[in-house]
Amino acid sequence: GQQVMQIPQYQHVQEGEDFTTYCNSSTTLSNIQWYKQRPGGHPVFLIQLVKSGEVKKQKRLTFQFGEAKKNSSLHITATQTTDVGTYFCAGRGSQGNLIFGKGTKLSVKP
Amino acid sequence: NAGVTQTPKFQVLKTGQSMTLQCAQDMNHEYMSWYRQDPGMGLRLIHYSVGAGITDQGEVPNGYNVSRSTTEDFPLRLLSAAPSQTSVYFCASSLGYEQFFGPGTRLTVL
Repeated sequence: GQQVMQIPQYQHVQEGEDFTTYCNSSTTLSNIQWYKQRPGGHPVFLIQLVKSGEVKKQKRLTFQFGEAKKNSSLHITATQTTDVGTYFCAGRGSQGNLIFGKGTKLSVKP
Repeated sequence: NAGVTQTPKFQVLKTGQSMTLQCAQDMNHEYMSWYRQDPGMGLRLIHYSVGAGITDQGEVPNGYNVSRSTTEDFPLRLLSAAPSQTSVYFCASSLGYEQFFGPGTRLTVL
């Protein structure tokens, strides 16, 4: 079946360092979404990318969707302690449902 | 608006017991879904509904039943709980592409 792989599983950074998580799909995606889940919380929608090669920015967060629409990345510049949490990508495949990656857990040392 | 609400927040069951996890939303969203979240496994879709009276299976439907008699409510039933169903359960709803998640139910099956 369709799979969405996400790496790394964990990332520990010093506050102020950059962070990137990568998402890869076994099939072409119609779109990809990113969610953030704070410790003990629920996933919260961040953004959706639809177009091939699309790049979107939200303050210190940069989201990219690959040209082949099979991969995506989330880059955080100059991490802050408020960025702590697990970041999930979710791809929408041919059947229309979202397939979530396993997430990247980010910890930030002050 | 309360958004997506889930009850109970915590539940402990014995193997073989049955129970219903409640989910309600007041945003008039047509699409609702149930996910389970296990450590290192991300979010896996159990069942979903595209509107009242319509339900369908997701990635991991075995052991769970759902119904959708109203737009607002989407309960998840465990007919005979098993230890493998120990997990955190999230309900989500959406009108377009953004999914709104409830706060979750943490279920332990002994």
